[in-house]
Amino acid sequence: AQKVTQAQTEISVVEKEDVTLDCVYETRDTTYYLFWYKQPPSGELVFLIRRNSFDEQNEISGRYSWNFQKSTSSFNFTITASQVVDSAVYFCALGNTGTASKLTFGTGTRLQVTL
Amino acid sequence: DTAVSQTPKYLVTQMGNDKSIKCEQNLGHDTMYWYKQDSKKFLKIMFSYNNKELIINETVPNRFSPKSPDKAHLNLHINSLELGDSAVYFCASSQGTQPGQPQHFGDGTRLSIL
Repeated sequence: AQKVTQAQTEISVVEKEDVTLDCVYETRDTTYYLFWYKQPPSGELVFLIRRNSFDEQNEISGRYSWNFQKSTSSFNFTITASQVVDSAVYFCALGNTGTASKLTFGTGTRLQVTL
Repeated sequence: DTAVSQTPKYLVTQMGNDKSIKCEQNLGHDTMYWYKQDSKKFLKIMFSYNNKELIINETVPNRFSPKSPDKAHLNLHINSLELGDSAVYFCASSQGTQPGQPQHFGDGTRLSIL
């Protein structure tokens, strides 16, 4: 069975602080995919990144960076120098390798960035 | 410009009614999905279609019936609405059924049952 755990329900930071959102996953598949999505207060779901299980290289995109560690089954997301516009719910998701690409989502982490 | 569009954005109706939510994508994708997000923000897949064929059908009451007239559209019809159906319903699409294809989501339809 697939499972994604985001233990942090809510995080509050002051603007310009760095913040890391944790994601731990469980799967029996040897090939799988991990995703992060952002849901701002307006409600839409925005795709941020995809990582496959064979690629453990960390990725940086502007102020965003992702750390994938197979040894600990984690795919953590760091925002550097956070901004108020980063306030949102962030979801980690696991994609299986079955017939169809079904996403199993974590419960989300609500990030509140204040001035 | 809208990639995945859902209508309506808000739907308020009474228990027992039948309602439909429409979804269209202009990304040229051939796989579409319906997800349900409950009041605690938990997202769970309901259905997936590839080229008009049903490929994922999670444990969903048969009051929910998806219909895909073509690969760019996936509509969701709900019969005999119940209070527990109140949620935000998201449509999504991806290219093919290969694992790892990012899914692109619509803005969601907030369904409220009175």
